[in-house]
Order: sequence, then structure tokens, then C-alpha cells
Amino acid sequence: KAGVTQTPRYLIKTRGQQVTLSCSPISGHRSVSWYQQTPGQGLQFLFEYFSETQRNKGNFPGRFSGRQFSNSRSEMNVSTLELGDSALYLCASSGQGNSPLHFGNGTRLTVT
Amino acid sequence: DQQVKQNSPSLSVQEGRISILNCDYTNSMFDYFLWYKKYPAEGPTFLISISSIKDKNEDGRFTVFLNKSAKHLSLHIVPSQPGDSAVYFCAATFNAGGTSYGKLTFGQGTILTVHP
Repeated sequence: KAGVTQTPRYLIKTRGQQVTLSCSPISGHRSVSWYQQTPGQGLQFLFEYFSETQRNKGNFPGRFSGRQFSNSRSEMNVSTLELGDSALYLCASSGQGNSPLHFGNGTRLTVT
Repeated sequence: DQQVKQNSPSLSVQEGRISILNCDYTNSMFDYFLWYKKYPAEGPTFLISISSIKDKNEDGRFTVFLNKSAKHLSLHIVPSQPGDSAVYFCAATFNAGGTSYGKLTFGQGTILTVHP
């Protein structure tokens, strides 16, 4: 079974721009979650989607948004980028019930 | 408000010995706990989990212990191997009436180094 796929792997953007990151979950997984990893804050939960609906949301400003499509693929968008948005963005998917999250290798975003 | 804490930033052990990684939590609503291993430039890899109805779960060389009264869990790796050298994260969550555990709260991680 293919794992969680995230594209692109690396991205460089300028302050004020916006960015869209993409995630394809493991086949059959309907839950997709997004996390931000930074050296100072560690791994922090952004949001979770299930069947195209946002089920949970973390403590991030409204500049961070996401969506999920009918095939369970997900995108997250960050608008008006700030230097502090530089981070590794990780996507994870899980199956039903007591099922652990399986992570992709992330998208490394650098904002200059 | 750090609800999950890993107080040891690093741990160094000899190959073949036991590695014990510790994690404390404060939120008594957490009912599912996981350990992940992470190599640089890769996403976290799931290792082992435990539900709050258990106090121990084993999978090969990995055993997780949960002490609910102390709000403490630990990961034991026996025997440790050089390939185990990585950053280890503990994570916790609770199922608020949903059907999956997509929202994890992570500790800050412990860097494990296993020397040959």
C-alpha cells in the first residue's frame, strides 16, 4: 500500500504571498490531519478533515485553511505568508476507529 | 500550556541495553497514547500505541507502559540497536464522540542515540 504522499517536498515563498500544499492519504483512509512542525513549538495540530468536513481545528489564525475532496485528498492553504510560517507541514491519514495516524514526509516551507 | 511533556531532550545508551523514554501528561481526558519515531527529513513513523484501558502493550522490542494515576507513560526498547537512533515523540488524544483520533497533542521529543 502506498503511504501518505505530500507535494511539493520543498517550497520557497515571499512574505505576503499565499501557498497551497497537497496531500494524498493512504488508500481507504478517510481522515486527513495536518500538523506544523517548528523548532520552537514542536508538532502542532492544524486541522482534521473527515468525509470532506472539518472535524477538528487547532489554534491557528484564519490565514490557515484546508479542504478535503471526495476522493479524500486534501489541500491546505496559507494566505498572507509571514516569516514565522516557515516550517515543516505534515499531513497524516488514518482509518476508522482506534487507528493511528500515518504521516507523510512533509512539505518544507521557507518564507523569505 | 504543554499538556504532554517529554522532560529529557536526549538519551544515550549502549547497543544491546535497554532504552527507556518517558512522557508525562496533564489532561485526564486523554484516552489513547502513541509513540512515534522520526528521522531527519522524514515524517514521524508510528511505533506503538496504548489505550487507557490497558497498562501495557508490547510489540516486538517495543513495550509501552501507562500509569494513569501518575499520568505517565514510558517506552522501553529492548535490546536497543544503532538503527533506533532517532527522535522519539509521545502523543496523546481523546475520542470526543468521533470515530477516529486525528487530533494528537505531541511532546517535544527525545533524541535517542544508540552507540555501537
